[in-house]
Amino acid sequence: AQSVAQPEDQVNVAEGNPLTVKCTYSVSGNPYLFWYVQYPNRGLQFLLKYITGDNLVKGSYGFEAEFNKSQTSFHLKKPSALVSDSALYFCAVRDRARGYQKVTFGTGTKLQVIP
Amino acid sequence: GAVVSQHPSRVICKSGTSVKIECRSLDFQATTMFWYRQFPKQSLMLMATSNEGSKATYEQGVEKDKFLINHASLTLSTLTVTSAHPEDSSFYICSASVNSRGHYEQYFGPGTRLTVT
Repeated sequence: AQSVAQPEDQVNVAEGNPLTVKCTYSVSGNPYLFWYVQYPNRGLQFLLKYITGDNLVKGSYGFEAEFNKSQTSFHLKKPSALVSDSALYFCAVRDRARGYQKVTFGTGTKLQVIP
Repeated sequence: GAVVSQHPSRVICKSGTSVKIECRSLDFQATTMFWYRQFPKQSLMLMATSNEGSKATYEQGVEKDKFLINHASLTLSTLTVTSAHPEDSSFYICSASVNSRGHYEQYFGPGTRLTVT
């Protein structure tokens, strides 16, 4: 079984400040981890993923995330938030077992960047 | 990059009618496609896994007779909501899976907003 927890329903941050959106995961094996962003009435846009290798993953639009195996976390970060970053963010996990394709999503965190 | 399209993007239908939603992988072949449902301000819930040429695998609690899935080719999967009711109103998102360098990548469609009146 696999699961994802996003403990914050909403995160508010002032424009220009650093932002963090939290995510923890649970898988029976090793994980693939993903972050997606969703704007109103739109599909998911891929931000970044952790497959293997360097624990710090850099993605689109200046976002990055750090894989922490001991804490089973994959928090999303950005050094300086933009108003246009305001959206719904989903963390997702997939077990790395061979051939396994199902992705489990967290409940989402609404990011509000305040001008 | 891999692109997945959905048609229609929005549809309004009357109670009791059926609605078909198409999911296409535009520049790649996908042996597996997934259908998700998203309620307002909630996460994506996997409804079913669709494999080309075989029956779909439905998640627990999803009515297979109500949500008919057909994956007739490597680039097209369809979801038909039969005898739609207002509670079926939702945002439906598909994804297509492709093997990339030894692991599977999922590419998501833009979603279809279904409103049943």
